Amino acid sequence: DAGITQSPRHKVTETGTPVTLRCHQTENHRYMYWYRQDPGHGLRLIHYSYGVKDTDKGEVSDGYSVSRSKTEDFLLTLESATSSQTSVYFCAISPRSLETQYFGPGTRLLVL
Amino acid sequence: AQRVTQPEKLLSVFKGAPVELKCNYSYSGSPELFWYVQYSRQRLQLLLRHISRESIKGFTADLNKGETSFHLKKPFAQEEDSAMYYCALSGNTPLVFGKGTRLSVIA
Repeated sequence: DAGITQSPRHKVTETGTPVTLRCHQTENHRYMYWYRQDPGHGLRLIHYSYGVKDTDKGEVSDGYSVSRSKTEDFLLTLESATSSQTSVYFCAISPRSLETQYFGPGTRLLVL
Repeated sequence: AQRVTQPEKLLSVFKGAPVELKCNYSYSGSPELFWYVQYSRQRLQLLLRHISRESIKGFTADLNKGETSFHLKKPFAQEEDSAMYYCALSGNTPLVFGKGTRLSVIA
């Protein structure tokens, strides 16, 4: 597995609370991505980053923000969690935009 | 716009039978196409991409630009092939995934 870790791996939170998920890589890849995985929807891109402080929105970005202050870290924040954000969140990395993406182990988030 | 369609949510086959997981795409340019696999409660991992034209774990996939398809095939299914399979396309934006097909290989 590529050097990608996600923290926390599991989280239970309440509606309305802020939540931050962290993705950390040791591969020095330029691109980093956040996806959510839901039954019947597959994987959907939330946000991605193409360099430090360079980010862009994906298909389902509403309610999420991201930050990347270092090459190795990409943070996903749910400003005010809702039950519809209960999901499994995957981080991925790639050296270039059209290259193979390598995935982290995922974070299971339950919003009550 | 980029779009990937996997028409089957679930595909069940007997061990030793041939497998074909369907993938159709919509993209006006020249796409990069991938198949990813996710075994139970594990991370997604690349199975193969079309430009490498190699066989991984006995799976192959051919890009058919005329039919805009990238079907995944294996001549003889094994129980360890049971997993979720995602077709993905990379065009002028990051990867777009299909909704996935769950393959169940019955002993």
